[in-house]
Amino acid sequence: DVKVTQSSRYLVKRTGEKVFLECVQDMDHENMFWYRQDPGLGLRLIYFSYDVKMKEKGDIPEGYSVSREKKERFSLILESASTNQTSMYLCASSTFRAGDTQYFGPGTRLTVL
Amino acid sequence: TQLLEQSPQFLSIQEGENLTVYCNSSSVFSSLQWYRQEPGEGPVLLVTVVTGGEVKKLKRLTFQFGDARKDSSLHITAAQPGDTGLYLCAGPKRGAGSYQLTFGKGTKLSVIP
Repeated sequence: DVKVTQSSRYLVKRTGEKVFLECVQDMDHENMFWYRQDPGLGLRLIYFSYDVKMKEKGDIPEGYSVSREKKERFSLILESASTNQTSMYLCASSTFRAGDTQYFGPGTRLTVL
Repeated sequence: TQLLEQSPQFLSIQEGENLTVYCNSSSVFSSLQWYRQEPGEGPVLLVTVVTGGEVKKLKRLTFQFGDARKDSSLHITAAQPGDTGLYLCAGPKRGAGSYQLTFGKGTKLSVIP
């Protein structure tokens, strides 16, 4: 069974803290994605990676960075968390082919106080 | 920019009723996908439609891809409480390095027993 796992289901952090969200996939997929999901705004792409050490900005990259040192692992970093980054964060992976299925993790609900 | 607009945004119906939700764009897509997201989980792929005019059935769910490949619909017959969730449509979009998906904002369906 294919699997995308995320390091935490729930996370509470203080404003200004550095936050790491980790995602691991076991399907040997080339592509990995980080989204945030907010009511009324849908799924918005933050960053994606199409190979180790390769990344591309999505629609809302400001305030975030990413790291992909190994094919199976993709990390999202909030350098200095702010309250407007309180959200549901979803990781996904897929092959490189156009229109292929994206497999999602269960999400991390991040609250920044 | 390829945008996908979904309607209605919210739908609350009684068990046993039929419903249709829509996904529209002004752009042509090579394929469209439908995902369902249950509360507290990541989205899961239901179906991919590829050919204009295509109709696919998944038990009580019927998916149609428009002839011009700009729109799609999802019809649910005799809705059950287990159909409750957020229904998202998505289409492929070419990034600099690989393909990603552009998502609609979703239709939130509640089926009341």
